[in-house]
Amino acid sequence: NAGVTQTPKFQVLKTGQSMTLQCAQDMNHNSMYWYRQDPGMGLRLIYYSASEGTTDKGEVPNGYNVSRLNKREFSLRLESAAPSQTSVYFCASREYWMPQHFGDGTRLSIL
Amino acid sequence: AQSVTQLDSHVSVSEGTPVLLRCNYSSSYSPSLFWYVQHPNKGLQLLLKYTSAATLVKGINGFEAEFKKSETSFHLTKPSAHMSDAAEYFCVVSENSGGGADGLTFGKGTHLIIQP
Repeated sequence: NAGVTQTPKFQVLKTGQSMTLQCAQDMNHNSMYWYRQDPGMGLRLIYYSASEGTTDKGEVPNGYNVSRLNKREFSLRLESAAPSQTSVYFCASREYWMPQHFGDGTRLSIL
Repeated sequence: AQSVTQLDSHVSVSEGTPVLLRCNYSSSYSPSLFWYVQHPNKGLQLLLKYTSAATLVKGINGFEAEFKKSETSFHLTKPSAHMSDAAEYFCVVSENSGGGADGLTFGKGTHLIIQP
């Protein structure tokens, strides 16, 4: 039972490059989320998708786009990466009001 | 609007002594509350959840938490700390009524340090 799978686990980009972070869940959950985690700032919500076909901005959406490709997959895209986007990115999913399940994270460095 | 306050950013205890991580919340609805643990370079793992059943909730690895509506608190405790408990802990409130960000609010986290 894989749960929430994120790819890649690590990535180094140059400023201005683009990249898509992939997330897939196999629990048939309706809601999916993207967070970034920075030292001393906890988890901050970038975007979420309450159900297939819908997406909404979170606390820090600038510089990011998302796609809810189907019920299983929710991708996060950086169109033109900036050093301020160096962070650890987590994807999560959940069903209704139950707790979220988290992936293991993607560690992204932008030089 | 809902909010979560983890009252301590860092807590240090000696191995074998009790652990107390404090969480206060505010919510306009009957919330669900969760505690997660994050070990270094890992994702978040659910420790325990309160979803309007028993107010004393037992979780994994000997942790438990008590939902106190009158005090709007959901403190996490463990009778005897182990070195493997050293991690970051997050308190989360779920308002169960929809709303912004799908009704979820995270605390800023408490870093638990275990002294040998």
